[in-house]
Amino acid sequence: DSGVTQTPKHLITATGQRVTLRCSPRSGDLSVYWYQQSLDQGLQFLIQYYNGEERAKGNILERFSAQQFPDLHSELNLSSLELGDSALYFCASSVGFLAGNEQFFGPGTRLTVL
Amino acid sequence: SQQGEEDPQALSIQEGENATMNCSYKTSINNLQWYRQNSGRGLVHLILIRSNEREKHSGRLRVTLDTSKKSSSLLITASRAADTASYFCATFFTDKLIFGTGTRLQVFP
Repeated sequence: DSGVTQTPKHLITATGQRVTLRCSPRSGDLSVYWYQQSLDQGLQFLIQYYNGEERAKGNILERFSAQQFPDLHSELNLSSLELGDSALYFCASSVGFLAGNEQFFGPGTRLTVL
Repeated sequence: SQQGEEDPQALSIQEGENATMNCSYKTSINNLQWYRQNSGRGLVHLILIRSNEREKHSGRLRVTLDTSKKSSSLLITASRAADTASYFCATFFTDKLIFGTGTRLQVFP
């Protein structure tokens, strides 16, 4: 158990809908990262927050947004969902702001868009 | 596009044998990390090697890094059925950790 929690575990929704994925980092970790894993794209970095502020951006679509709250939990919002958004979404956390530190991954949220 | 390409894509061996996975990357790095992922689950950090290091050991794991060739290898010695998983290299440069395509390792008892 990494100490990172993600909810929900599974999410099934329809195209055009909007969903919110939630992540709680390990106790004491200030950075939260979001990744998308799909069969065709592999594991893609989406975005990093550090202590409430956006720190780095990867291949995140404009339809997706994230935020980190004062209690350090983070939410990833996916809107206008398309079939191709079906994937595993992972949250990870680390102590400092450098992404090169060891990252601790949550169990993931499996999103299925029908 | 992804930074790391791993080779082979899949590897099947018997328990007790050694498994070697290779990772090639394209740009400069600050460090390179290896992670393991059991089927459909979260990734687990295995080992980190800095750009000024050439070799690192952790238990049955040995990692090498050749920055001149932009490549790294992960060796798992005396493999066990429990080592069955996907293994990813990840390169860190500036502000992002970028993952490779992964090697799927199957260890048969």
